[in-house]
Amino acid sequence: QVQLVESGGGVVQPGRSLRLSCAASGFTFSHFGIHWVRQAPGKGLEWVAVISYDGKNKYYTDSVKGRFTISRDNSKNTLSLQMNNLRAEDTAVYFCAKDMWDGTGYPDHWGQGTLVTVSS
Amino acid sequence: DIQMTQSPSSLSASVGDRVTITCQASQDISNSLNWYHQKPGEAPKLLIYDASNLVTGVPSRFSGSGSGTDFTFTLSSLQPEDIATYYCQQYDSLPITFGQGTRLEIQ
Repeated sequence: QVQLVESGGGVVQPGRSLRLSCAASGFTFSHFGIHWVRQAPGKGLEWVAVISYDGKNKYYTDSVKGRFTISRDNSKNTLSLQMNNLRAEDTAVYFCAKDMWDGTGYPDHWGQGTLVTVSS
Repeated sequence: DIQMTQSPSSLSASVGDRVTITCQASQDISNSLNWYHQKPGEAPKLLIYDASNLVTGVPSRFSGSGSGTDFTFTLSSLQPEDIATYYCQQYDSLPITFGQGTRLEIQ
């Protein structure tokens, strides 16, 4: 079955960096796009970024453009999110989620998430 | 960005009740609309895709309808295990956007 496991969350000071990872299994990773979606404590869901199946196309929500970078390694079935210049408003649980298709669709399977707390 | 307006924000109902949630898009999204639910401490789970298609394995008491800008999610007979927050989501254009969520509680 599809399994996505996020890691790398933690407490970080404003302005610092953090790198999240997502390990995928149970499907042909190189055939599907992958999303990052976040959820601030007690709040709703916010889409963050998506990367196409081949890594060639990447899209971001405006609030993270220029600060976050999504990437993937299809040889290792892993996805990453490099987060730089973190702000308090980036505090959230970050979910990776498999796309229904090549990255042009929507999340259909989700990991359990990893918590990022930005605080001094 | 496409804004998704979901209502109500919370809902209290009894076991066996019919429950309805609505979602309105700020522009025509055809049928590019999904419904998820999220139980406390868990990841969201896809229930309905393309406005009205039930994901394999999801109970038939869940259903969805609508197209264009107005969509409806219906739970025909509320069960205790259905307690969760429900979200609509559009994928017609990036950024993908979600409704604010509907917290469903047992009365």
